[in-house]
Amino acid sequence: AQSVTQPDIHITVSEGASLELRCNYSYGATPYLFWYVQSPGQGLQLLLKYFSGDTLVQGIKGFEAEFKRSQSSFNLRKPSVHWSDAAEYFCAVSNFGNEKLTFGTGTRLTIIP
Amino acid sequence: DVKVTQSSRYLVKRTGEKVFLECVQDMDHENMFWYRQDPGLGLRLIYFSYDVKMKEKGDIPEGYSVSREKKERFSLILESASTNQTSMYLCASSSRVTEAFFGQGTRLTVV
Repeated sequence: AQSVTQPDIHITVSEGASLELRCNYSYGATPYLFWYVQSPGQGLQLLLKYFSGDTLVQGIKGFEAEFKRSQSSFNLRKPSVHWSDAAEYFCAVSNFGNEKLTFGTGTRLTIIP
Repeated sequence: DVKVTQSSRYLVKRTGEKVFLECVQDMDHENMFWYRQDPGLGLRLIYFSYDVKMKEKGDIPEGYSVSREKKERFSLILESASTNQTSMYLCASSSRVTEAFFGQGTRLTVV
């Protein structure tokens, strides 16, 4: 069965600093990978996704993620965070495109001035 | 804009009640999903549906059922609510070419 691991439960970053959120997946075939963000009291919003092709994926709000098959990873990055990036971030995998997703446990991001 | 609408943001129900959570999407998506979100556990799939009148169990279906009589509507049913079903419930829809869009969530408290 597929699974997703987000090893960091909570990360605190200074505003303007760079950010990397880790995601490792376990899946036998080529995975379809997603990063979602959830602001307090809100539903989930898609940041970016990887299906195939270029392993560096650009998303909304200045985020990017890199698929590394050899490391079974899909880490999310942003060069300079803003206070509005404070939220919970979820990595997810599916075995076929936009079908059912398996989520990680999430990483809560706190931004300090 | 894709819209996934959940009928209630907050619900308080009593133990043993039958509870209906409703979800409607307006983008003609084939796929609809119900997830449960709990702190430290992320989102877990309860049930999903790839077509009208079709349903499949997810990872945690016990204590739940679903109904999809129309393409745009997917209902989650708690047959006899229990306190361990207190949680945030998220509905989502997707299509073959469109990623999953989520509703705002329903925070259910069972007392």
